[in-house]
Amino acid sequence: DAKTTQPPSMDCAEGRAANLPCNHSTISGNEYVYWYRQIHSQGPQYIIHGLKNNETNEMASLIITEDRKSSTLILPHATLRDTAVYYCIVRADTGTASKLTFGTGTRLQVTL
Amino acid sequence: DGGITQSPKYLFRKEGQNVTLSCEQNLNHDAMYWYRQDPGQGLRLIYYSQIVNDFQKGDIAEGYSVSREKKESFPLTVTSAQKNPTAFYLCASSSRTGRPYGYTFGSGTRLTVV
Repeated sequence: DAKTTQPPSMDCAEGRAANLPCNHSTISGNEYVYWYRQIHSQGPQYIIHGLKNNETNEMASLIITEDRKSSTLILPHATLRDTAVYYCIVRADTGTASKLTFGTGTRLQVTL
Repeated sequence: DGGITQSPKYLFRKEGQNVTLSCEQNLNHDAMYWYRQDPGQGLRLIYYSQIVNDFQKGDIAEGYSVSREKKESFPLTVTSAQKNPTAFYLCASSSRTGRPYGYTFGSGTRLTVV
């Protein structure tokens, strides 16, 4: 799996958009970008994933650069409940179960 | 509702004792996983199992053991050989295809060894 690099922490004011970057310069053509988040003392929760097109769901948007070497997770209107650690993961969809590798992620603090 | 149940939420044990953490899922998932998380760190994989009666070591398997006798259950034993067992333990499951968006995590067990 390709390695990812994320800033260790970010702050965002409540109601503003939170933009969380992720670098994955060694990503392969068949590898997807996945985002999970972990609220304190809970299990990680899936947010969104994409291959090369931008994606949007009820939780967030995912913007992937044209060269696919980086991506940005966007929480359009951050709330205090979005305070969590956000993990960017790159992995191929091989069709068989195998481990997910989590880095240290970005700790997002949403403030009033 | 389908999900993963980990019990207990908090567990205290004396040094040198083995302890077993429970993980049960009713999602009909084939694959199950155990992760360990230390303060301020990401998750590290201990063991995983893709089908019943089969399991593989993850990145930090030393001092741990697992069994997979039933599809629904994947208990983790922290043995006395584990040098630093105090941590937050997370169980997860996925379908056999293992697509990463299909992973479901439990709420975790916080183990403290005194």
